[in-house]
Amino acid sequence: DVKVTQSSRYLVKRTGEKVFLECVQDMDHENMFWYRQDPGLGLRLIYFSYDVKMKEKGDIPEGYSVSREKKERFSLILESASTNQTSMYLCASRETWRGTEAFFGQGTRLTVV
Amino acid sequence: EDQVTQSPEALRLQEGESSSLNCSYTVSGLRGLFWYRQDPGKGPEFLFTLYSAGEEKEKERLKATLTKKESFLHITAPKPEDSATYLCAVQGGSGTGGFKTIFGAGTRLFVKA
Repeated sequence: DVKVTQSSRYLVKRTGEKVFLECVQDMDHENMFWYRQDPGLGLRLIYFSYDVKMKEKGDIPEGYSVSREKKERFSLILESASTNQTSMYLCASRETWRGTEAFFGQGTRLTVV
Repeated sequence: EDQVTQSPEALRLQEGESSSLNCSYTVSGLRGLFWYRQDPGKGPEFLFTLYSAGEEKEKERLKATLTKKESFLHITAPKPEDSATYLCAVQGGSGTGGFKTIFGAGTRLFVKA
């Protein structure tokens, strides 16, 4: 079975801190994604990567950056955390470009105070 | 504009009371329609992929169907353990636009014993 592992289930950070969210997948998938999920808004794509060192902005990239130095690892960085970045963050990986399902991690609940 | 709308927002059923969840979508060049189950505080878990109108897939008490404009997730004789949020997502288009998946806001299902 595909396994996508996020480094933390819960995080509490202070406003202005730099925050790193880590995600590792074990199925050699080319494509990896970061979403945030908020009540009533569904999942919104922050960034995605289709290869090592490649990244593309999603729908809401402002205030975030990403890093993919190895195929199995995709990191989301909050450069200077703000309270409006309090959310559930979900990492996902997928085997090919189109028509295949994504596999999600367990999520990281981030609270910025 | 590509869009996914799920209804109802919430559905309360008695154990054994069959019903359907709706996912209406607008997308150019459907590449795939996906159903996921999400339990509270966890990441979405993949259920089904449908590719073309008329296609149906089943898993235990769940059956997913697809037309050109919508998909239904039929739940037959639900049990309390079927309580969860069910997410619908579509992938379509071409180029990098076909790379992204659009999620609906989900239907929260409650099944009472």
